[in-house]
Amino acid sequence: DAGVIQSPRHEVTEMGQEVTLRCKPISGHDYLFWYRQTMMRGLELLIYFNNNVPIDDSGMPEDRFSAKMPNASFSTLKIQPSEPRDSAVYFCASSFSHLGSPLHFGNGTRLTVT
Amino acid sequence: AQTVTQSQPEMSVQEAETVTLSCTYDTSESDYYLFWYKQPPSRQMILVIRQEAYKQQNATENRFSVNFQKAAKSFSLKISDSQLGDAAMYFCAYKETSGSRLTFGEGTQLTVNP
Repeated sequence: DAGVIQSPRHEVTEMGQEVTLRCKPISGHDYLFWYRQTMMRGLELLIYFNNNVPIDDSGMPEDRFSAKMPNASFSTLKIQPSEPRDSAVYFCASSFSHLGSPLHFGNGTRLTVT
Repeated sequence: AQTVTQSQPEMSVQEAETVTLSCTYDTSESDYYLFWYKQPPSRQMILVIRQEAYKQQNATENRFSVNFQKAAKSFSLKISDSQLGDAAMYFCAYKETSGSRLTFGEGTQLTVNP
């Protein structure tokens, strides 16, 4: 089991550029989550999917953020255009549907927007 | 909405000693799950321990144990025989049975002194 795989590990971009973060969940997990971590706001849930379908995107900050899950083994989080306040660590996590199943996190992508 | 509160932003402990990290939560649900995650400087989120609310017995994982007080909505983590590798940010998290998301506390930064 390779765990949740995120790429890239670090991303530095200029304001206004498009940023795409990628995630491969653990095989067999049917839930996928995107979290953002900042010093000011801690860990925030942005969006989550069940069986590739977005269930709740109420945490997505604004229309500049979008997420997709075209299949069970891949998801993307896109920011277009990026702004300096988007700088944060973005985590992807996955879990089984069992109620007590814990979330398994990737190593995160540290995004810096200059 | 459920909230999770960790009132200790920082804690320190001497190597080989015992330390307790506090967590309280607010919910109107009777059945739910509670978790402690550890985030070392590598920033990976690592599951430490899990507690099911309907189980009265406190969960234990090697040197890690919890003190779950359901009526008081308290879920503290005890680390025995602290090791240098235990130094990390510790997050308490709540998961309702009617959903799949995790709600995190603000975190407690634990320092282990040699």
